[in-house]
Amino acid sequence: EAAVTQSPRSKVAVTGGKVTLSCHQTNNHDYMYWYRQDTGHGLRLIHYSYVADSTEKGDIPDGYKASRPSQENFSLILELASLSQTAVYFCASSERGNYAEQFFGPGTRLTVL
Amino acid sequence: GQQVKQSSPSLTVQEGGISILNCDYENDMFDYFAWYKKYPDNSPTLLISVRSNVDKREDGRLTVFLNKSGKHFSLHITASQPEDTAVYLCAAGASGGSNYKLTFGKGTLLTVTP
Repeated sequence: EAAVTQSPRSKVAVTGGKVTLSCHQTNNHDYMYWYRQDTGHGLRLIHYSYVADSTEKGDIPDGYKASRPSQENFSLILELASLSQTAVYFCASSERGNYAEQFFGPGTRLTVL
Repeated sequence: GQQVKQSSPSLTVQEGGISILNCDYENDMFDYFAWYKKYPDNSPTLLISVRSNVDKREDGRLTVFLNKSGKHFSLHITASQPEDTAVYLCAAGASGGSNYKLTFGKGTLLTVTP
């Protein structure tokens, strides 16, 4: 069965530290996405990618970088973690031409102290 | 501002009734509309999606209605069951160019009471 996995599943980071969240998909999908979920905000798109070695800014990219080294892998990088980045982060993938059907990973709960 | 808006943060329906979840959007370019379901501490899963060339789509107990002139779409769940209790997220996207992404609403918590 196709799957999107995320690591770590939870993390506690210190303010100002670097955090890398990883996503791996076995769906053979071209498109990958990073979202954050906060109470009262729903899902907000941070970065996305159509193809390996290329990323696009989403709706809230400030404070985040993304990396897509291969079709299967998509990372979200917080160079200088801040308290406001405490949230649950979801990765998702979709087929080319059917981006409305996104398959989500289990999420990573990030706490920045 | 919010491009996709769910004005009701919560909705309670009795078992067996019809649940109606609403979503409004601002962007005229949106041509792809979807509803996702999310249980607490789980990830969202797609329920149903429609393109703008139809104004209604049914799938079992689920029906999506699309009103393009009113920039509004809704999800109707018939014969609602307690296991339908979850957060429902609407989403919209604009295809064409390089814009292959969805914008989500904040969600509506549906509670179905026995």
